[in-house]
Amino acid sequence: AQSVAQPEDQVNVAEGNPLTVKCTYSVSGNPYLFWYVQYPNRGLQFLLKYITGDNLVKGSYGFEAEFNKSQTSFHLKKPSALVSDSALYFCAVRDINGNEKLTFGTGTRLTIIP
Amino acid sequence: GAGVSQSPSNKVTEKGKDVELRCDPISGHTALYWYRQRLGQGLEFLIYFQGNSAPDKSGLPSDRFSAERTGESVSTLTIQRTQQEDSAVYLCASSQTSGGWDTQYFGPGTRLTVL
Repeated sequence: AQSVAQPEDQVNVAEGNPLTVKCTYSVSGNPYLFWYVQYPNRGLQFLLKYITGDNLVKGSYGFEAEFNKSQTSFHLKKPSALVSDSALYFCAVRDINGNEKLTFGTGTRLTIIP
Repeated sequence: GAGVSQSPSNKVTEKGKDVELRCDPISGHTALYWYRQRLGQGLEFLIYFQGNSAPDKSGLPSDRFSAERTGESVSTLTIQRTQQEDSAVYLCASSQTSGGWDTQYFGPGTRLTVL
């Protein structure tokens, strides 16, 4: 079975500071990994994904994430936070060898403090 | 191009009534997914359509839930005899293929409130 954990329900960061939203996963094989963002009363918007290749993945709005196989992590990062980054962030995983559907974490609410 | 659209955006119904939710996927996307998002929780997979193959209904919580899709176009999710625990946001997503690497694009959701 595959699973994903977002250990922090809430992350607060001062505007202009770097931000990190944590994600760890568990799959039997190798993973496909995704990050989505959800703004209030909106659907999920795709940010970035790791399929294969470079461990550092760059995505929309200046976000990036680093795939770390040894730590089974895929943390989302941004060098300088904006107030507009405040939203709910979801990590998702799928085992490349499995038949399971995309599994989502429970989400992390990011609040950027002006 | 146009994204995934869902209607209605909000639906308030009385316990015991049937509701029908609609999803229009991105044109050309062969895979379509329905999810449920309860307040403060992550996404719960409900059902998956891929082309003309039989749908994967493994996530449907009860036989009150059903869904249909006509070819590679519109899908409807029907909830019969609604219960208060059905209150949630129902999200639809589509992807170009069913490959695990393929990005799912989400609609804005339908917020269902069962009184």
